[in-house]
Amino acid sequence: AQSVTQLDSQVPVFEEAPVELRCNYSSSVSVYLFWYVQYPNQGLQLLLKYLSGSTLVESINGFEAEFNKSQTSFHLRKPSVHISDTAEYFCAVSPVGGGYQKVTFGTGTKLQVIP
Amino acid sequence: GAGVSQTPSNKVTEKGKYVELRCDPISGHTALYWYRQSLGQGPEFLIYFQGTGAADDSGLPNDRFFAVRPEGSVSTLKIQRTERGDSAVYLCASSSQGKVADTQYFGPGTRLTVL
Repeated sequence: AQSVTQLDSQVPVFEEAPVELRCNYSSSVSVYLFWYVQYPNQGLQLLLKYLSGSTLVESINGFEAEFNKSQTSFHLRKPSVHISDTAEYFCAVSPVGGGYQKVTFGTGTKLQVIP
Repeated sequence: GAGVSQTPSNKVTEKGKYVELRCDPISGHTALYWYRQSLGQGPEFLIYFQGTGAADDSGLPNDRFFAVRPEGSVSTLKIQRTERGDSAVYLCASSSQGKVADTQYFGPGTRLTVL
């Protein structure tokens, strides 16, 4: 079984400041890692994912996450946030070799960007 | 093109009643997932369909919950003898083939309230 821990339920940050949203996971098998985002009044959507290869993955809107196997972490970072980044962010994992995505989500972190 | 749609968007029912929640996946997507998101929690996996068959129903909490996908497209989640603890947002997602590299596309959810 897998579990995902997002210790920060809310993160307030000023516009144009950097941000890091923390994610740690526990699993007895190798996993794929995901970050999903839910903007206000919208559905959940994939932000970025790590399947294999380079441990640093990027999204089209400037977020990046780095897979650290030794620390079982997949923290999400952005060097300069915008008001439009205000949303709830969910870290998630899926076991490798399962044949399909059986995703376990964390409890989410609400990012509030302050003007 | 059209995304994943779910109906109704809101459902209020009384304890003990039967409810049906509908999901229309993206056309051509063979994989369909149901999740439940309780207040303050991340989505929790319920069931995965590949085509018409339920390939993994290990997340269904008990035998009051049942889901079908008779023609490999639309799916219905059925809850019998609803309880107050069933109150949550029920999310549906689809992906093209269900492979681990495929992106899951989520619908807006159905908010179920059991009085």
